[in-house]
Amino acid sequence: DIVMTQSPDSLAVSLGARATINCKCSQSVLNNSNKKNYLAWYQQKPGQPPKLLIYWASTRESGVPDRFSGSGSGTDFTLTISSLQGEDVAVYYCHQYYKNRWTFGQGTQVEIK
Amino acid sequence: EVQLLASGGGLVQPGGSLRLSCAASGFTFSNYAMIWVRQTPGKGLEWVAGISGSGGLTYYADSVNGRFNISRDKSKNTLYLQMNSLRAEDTAVYYCAKGRVGLNSAMDYWGQGTLVTVSS
Repeated sequence: DIVMTQSPDSLAVSLGARATINCKCSQSVLNNSNKKNYLAWYQQKPGQPPKLLIYWASTRESGVPDRFSGSGSGTDFTLTISSLQGEDVAVYYCHQYYKNRWTFGQGTQVEIK
Repeated sequence: EVQLLASGGGLVQPGGSLRLSCAASGFTFSNYAMIWVRQTPGKGLEWVAGISGSGGLTYYADSVNGRFNISRDKSKNTLYLQMNSLRAEDTAVYYCAKGRVGLNSAMDYWGQGTLVTVSS
C-alpha cells in the first residue's frame, strides 16, 4: 500500500498568516498516461465528516475559498492556506486514490496561535 | 442536493455481525463509485471498501478482506456494508462517501457516519 506521511502533525498559525501542510507518498501517485496526480485534501472539523477541499492535487472543489490551494507532483504535495481564518481550525488529511487501495495521511491539526 | 444517510451501527459482541446501510439521494446513484471509510475515535481515517457504480468491481482493505462485503442496490439507491467476524479493532465511526466519478476519484460527499462498537 502507498504510505502517506504528513508534516507537521500539528501547526499553530496566527490569524491572517500562511499555513503550509506537506504530504509525502511512499510511491508516485502521478499517472503518466493522463498526467494527473491522484491526490486529494480534506478538512475535518470536530463532530463532522471530512470535507473535500482539493482533488487532482491542485483543483479546488466547488465552493472552497480560494485561500486554499494545492501543489506538488509525484510523491510530494503541499496544501497551503494563504490567510488563516478562524473557521479553518480543523484537521487536514491528504488522500491518494491512485491504486485501488486508498490510503490517507495521519492528519495535521491546524490551530490559531 | 446530495445526501448520504448512514445507519445500522450499534453495539455488537466480538465475533458478531452487523450490516450498515447508506441511503443516497440527490444524484444518479448507479453512475458513481461508493466508498466506506472508518475513523477510530480520536484517530485518523482508514479506507475500508469501495464499489464501482455498476457494482461489478469491489475492493477491500487487508484488515477487513474476507470478513466484510460491500454491495449496492440500484433500486433502493442504497449502499451496504455487511460486517462479519467483528473484532474490537473494528470499533469506529463508519462513513459512506460518494466518488466524484469512478473508483479512482476523490470523495466529494460524505455521510454523517454511524458508530460501530465491538465489545463484550
